[in-house]
Amino acid sequence: GQNIDQPTEMTATEGAIVQINCTYQTSGFNGLFWYQQHAGEAPTFLSYNVLDGLEEKGRFSSFLSRSKGYSYLLLKELQMKDSASYLCAVRDGGSNDYKLSFGAGTTVTVRA
Amino acid sequence: GAVVSQHPSRVICKSGTSVKIECRSLDFQATTMFWYRQFPKQSLMLMATSNEGSKATYEQGVEKDKFLINHASLTLSTLTVTSAHPEDSSFYICSARILEETNTEAFFGQGTRLTVV
Repeated sequence: GQNIDQPTEMTATEGAIVQINCTYQTSGFNGLFWYQQHAGEAPTFLSYNVLDGLEEKGRFSSFLSRSKGYSYLLLKELQMKDSASYLCAVRDGGSNDYKLSFGAGTTVTVRA
Repeated sequence: GAVVSQHPSRVICKSGTSVKIECRSLDFQATTMFWYRQFPKQSLMLMATSNEGSKATYEQGVEKDKFLINHASLTLSTLTVTSAHPEDSSFYICSARILEETNTEAFFGQGTRLTVV
């Protein structure tokens, strides 16, 4: 099975940087995803890491260390619209279905 | 990106009735679709994996006779909540993966807010 941990809540100021950590213990691993989810809506894809290192995409970056079972999502130049829940998800590498297991999500609140 | 359409977006039903939720991949083929349930302020919990042309695989603790899944084509999977009870009220979300691409993200439908009264 999968055990995925991330902080419950984080608050930051508009224009600042926030880092959301995610640790995981899995029986198989075939990639780690970050999704953004606004209340009452479906998740939207932010990033994907399967190899160690940093992936940068505009204001969002994601880092992965497979040996440590650790990832983080970095949000720069925060905007009010970034207030949302951020979900860390690990893809199971042990089956052909490639199903995702999600962490509980981190609610980020951006204040003016 | 690929589009997954889920219908209806909201449904209210009476206790004891059944509700069908559809999940369609609009511009790609998906041999595998996933059904999740999400309670307020909680994360997505995988209910079952839907495979085209075969029986769905249910996660532990999910009643297969209560949550009927049919994946009749490469673009459509349906979830039927049978004999719904108020505790089944939740946000149900489907996702799909592109058939030919094994190393890609899952694309999510818009979700269905089910309220059982």
